[in-house]
Amino acid sequence: EVQLVQSGGGLVQPGGSLRLSCSASGFSFSDYALHWVRQAPGKGLEYVSAISNNGGLTYYADSVKGRFTISRDNSKNTLYVEMSSLRAEDTAVYYCVKREGLGIPGPFDCWGQGTLVTVSS
Amino acid sequence: EIEMTQSPATLSVSPGERATLSCRASQSVSNNVAWYQQKPGQAPRLLIYGASTRATGLPARFSASGSGTEFTLTISSLQSEDFAVYYCQQWHHWPQTFGQGTKLEIK
Repeated sequence: EVQLVQSGGGLVQPGGSLRLSCSASGFSFSDYALHWVRQAPGKGLEYVSAISNNGGLTYYADSVKGRFTISRDNSKNTLYVEMSSLRAEDTAVYYCVKREGLGIPGPFDCWGQGTLVTVSS
Repeated sequence: EIEMTQSPATLSVSPGERATLSCRASQSVSNNVAWYQQKPGQAPRLLIYGASTRATGLPARFSASGSGTEFTLTISSLQSEDFAVYYCQQWHHWPQTFGQGTKLEIK
């Protein structure tokens, strides 16, 4: 079974930092691009970031560029996002997602369970 | 950034009836569109990709069509488990963008 299990998250003060992790199983991790998508409370889905299968290419939404860093460890089947200079508007449930098929942009056929990040003093 | 506009925002339909959800892109996205279903407290679930290809295991009552800027998701005979929020997504242009969602509710 293809599975993405997330960890990390929680309450952080404005300007603080946090790292989210996403552990994968059930597929050949190093073959697939991975992404982060977030959802503010009661709102819709917002695309955040992408990383190619080998980690050589990364992409960021303008809203997080310069503050978030996506990375992956293919030896550990784990995806990460390091978030810094956090703002109240970064408060959201963050999902790690796997792209359906090969390539980087594309539909997402597997989603993690989501982890809530709350930025508040 | 490509804007994906979904309509209506809320759709009230009785079980057993047909539901038609629309998604319009601000410029052509070819057929690089997906549809997702999200129930309260759950992660979204992929339903359709490539504008019309059903995800594995998706019941045949779900169908979708469109290309360019106009896309439609149709649920032919609504079951109780279909009442949820539906999102469209494009990946033709960076960044990938989602519509704001259509809430499908029981009439």
